[in-house]
Amino acid sequence: KAGVTQTPRYLIKTRGQQVTLSCSPISGHRSVSWYQQTPGQGLQFLFEYFSETQRNKGNFPGRFSGRQFSNSRSEMNVSTLELGDSALYLCASSLGRTGQTAPSYNEQFFGPGTRLTVL
Amino acid sequence: GENVEQHPSTLSVQEGDSAVIKCTYSDSASNYFPWYKQELGKRPQLIIDIRSNVGEKKDQRIAVTLNKTAKHFSLHITETQPEDSAVYFCAASKTYNTDKLIFGTGTRLQVFP
Repeated sequence: KAGVTQTPRYLIKTRGQQVTLSCSPISGHRSVSWYQQTPGQGLQFLFEYFSETQRNKGNFPGRFSGRQFSNSRSEMNVSTLELGDSALYLCASSLGRTGQTAPSYNEQFFGPGTRLTVL
Repeated sequence: GENVEQHPSTLSVQEGDSAVIKCTYSDSASNYFPWYKQELGKRPQLIIDIRSNVGEKKDQRIAVTLNKTAKHFSLHITETQPEDSAVYFCAASKTYNTDKLIFGTGTRLQVFP
């Protein structure tokens, strides 16, 4: 079974531009989460999607947005890029078992990441 | 708020020695604690996880322990090998209708031959 894939793998943009990153989950996985990884802040949660709905959101400005399509593929968009947005953006997918009254313990599998450099 | 502290930030051991990495979480509702290994230039990979209803879990040379009262969990690697050299991240999650992971800041483990 193919793993999580992300495109593009590398991206160079200038301040003020916008960027769209794509994530294709493992076949059958319904949940996609996005994380930003930087040397200073580590891995920080951006948002997660399940069945085309945003289920949770981290503490990032509104310039960061995302969406999920009916085939579970997800995209994230960053508008008005700033130098501080330079980072490795990782997505992770899981089966997305949901539990309102019981924990779901979904194992997450990460993609290789998109390295974004803002100049 | 949600926070996971991880120590130490760097750890150097001789091949064959044991390595221990410790994490403390703040949200008592957390019930799932995975550990990820990230080699240089690679994606994080799950190496072991533990649920809140279990105190210890072992998989060959790797073990994880959980103390819910102290909100503390640890990764133990025995008989370390050079290929264990990587950055290790602990994480915590509440898992009720979410996959959101709160990560620790990472531990760079170096195993010298």
